[in-house]
Amino acid sequence: EAGVAQSPRYKIIEKRQSVAFWCNPISGHATLYWYQQILGQGPKLLIQFQNNGVVDDSQLPKDRFSAERLKGVDSTLKIQPAKLEDSAVYLCASSFRDRGGGEQFFGPGTRLTVL
Amino acid sequence: DAKTTQPPSMDCAEGRAANLPCNHSTISGNEYVYWYRQIHSQGPQYIIHGLKNNETNEMASLIITEDRKSSTLILPHATLRDTAVYYCIVRVLRGGGADGLTFGKGTHLIIQP
Repeated sequence: EAGVAQSPRYKIIEKRQSVAFWCNPISGHATLYWYQQILGQGPKLLIQFQNNGVVDDSQLPKDRFSAERLKGVDSTLKIQPAKLEDSAVYLCASSFRDRGGGEQFFGPGTRLTVL
Repeated sequence: DAKTTQPPSMDCAEGRAANLPCNHSTISGNEYVYWYRQIHSQGPQYIIHGLKNNETNEMASLIITEDRKSSTLILPHATLRDTAVYYCIVRVLRGGGADGLTFGKGTHLIIQP
C-alpha cells in the first residue's frame, strides 16, 4: 500500500513570496490533515478535511494560509505572502475512518525555509 | 484534550526494554491515550493506543495505571532504529468531527549501541 505522498520535499523562498505544497493521501482515506512543525516542537494542526469539506481550520492563519481539497482526494496548502516565522516542516496526514479517532498516516513532509 | 507531561529525553541500551513514561493526571473518562513516534526527517508514526486496559501489538506495549493518570510505553527489545521522539497524546474520539492530534514536545529516546 502506497503511503501519503508530498511534494516538494524541500523549498526555499524569500519572505513575501508565495509557495504551495501538494499532498496525495492514501487511497480511500476520507480524512486529510495538514500540520505545521517548527524546529524543536511537535506538529501543530492547521486544517482538517473530511472528503472535500473543512472540519477544523481553527488554527489556520487565514490571512496568509489557504488550503483546498477540491475532489476529495489531493490537497494543496498555500502560503501567500510568506513570513520568516513560516519556516517549518509541513506535514500531511490521512485517515481512513470518517467517524473520528482513526490512526493517522503521515507523509514525509515538506521542509520550507523562508529567507 | 487533556495535557500530557513527558521527560524531554531518555537513553536506553540496545537490546534492553525501553520504558517511556507519560503523565496525564487531568485525563477524562472518555479520553484515550495514544502514542506516536517520529524518526528524524520522517513524519510521525502511530504506535499504539488504549483507554483503560493494557494493550500490546507488534511494536510495543501500553500500560495504563488503574487511575488512568499515567501510562508507560514499553519497547521490549530496543534497537538503534527505535531512536526517535515519542509523543504521548490524550484525545477524545469524536465521531465525524474534529480529531486533529495535539502534540507536545515528546521524549527524545536515544538507543545506545
